[in-house]
Amino acid sequence: NAGVMQNPRHLVRRRGQEARLRCSPMKGHSHVYWYRQLPEEGLKFMVYLQKENIIDESGMPKERFSAEFPKEGPSILRIQQVVRGDSAAYFCASSPGSDSEAFFGQGTRLTVV
Amino acid sequence: QQQVKQSPQSLIVQKGGIPIINCAYENTAFDYFPWYQQFPGKGPALLIAIRPDVSEKKEGRFTISFNKSAKQFSLHIMDSQPGDSATYFCAARSGNTGKLIFGQGTTLQVKP
Repeated sequence: NAGVMQNPRHLVRRRGQEARLRCSPMKGHSHVYWYRQLPEEGLKFMVYLQKENIIDESGMPKERFSAEFPKEGPSILRIQQVVRGDSAAYFCASSPGSDSEAFFGQGTRLTVV
Repeated sequence: QQQVKQSPQSLIVQKGGIPIINCAYENTAFDYFPWYQQFPGKGPALLIAIRPDVSEKKEGRFTISFNKSAKQFSLHIMDSQPGDSATYFCAARSGNTGKLIFGQGTTLQVKP
């Protein structure tokens, strides 16, 4: 049973470009969470999704950020018009239920130049 | 009230020592408290977790102590090894909200 798969592992974007981060949850997991980790800091919750639904987006910046988890395919975190402050590690986690253990992927390290 | 405060920020121990990492919370609705271990360049890996109906849980060399009245919990690593050198995060979650609130992390170095 493969773990949570995130790609790409590293992503470099110029200011103003779009970044798309993908997350394939573990088999049997229908709950997906995105977290952001700035250098030397803890993980901050961004958004919680189930298939085709956003359950909680209280941690998402109001502008430029969006997330989806379609019926088929991976969950996508999309950042439009990236700025230097978006440089961080973005982690996806999945679980079979909202009160179950969450397992994390290896992360995508976004660098905005 | 959603914060989880973790200390110390960094910790250095000799091999065989027992590092202790502490976390405190305010939200009494939290009912699940996991600890994650993270190596550089990797994602956090679940180490051990506890629910507030027990005061202690052991898994191998890792022990969580939980004090519900004080709203504090801690991680103890017995017989620490250089391979335990990593960053450790405590976290908390309430009910079926799904989202984890993380502490700031503790960087542990175990010297040979």
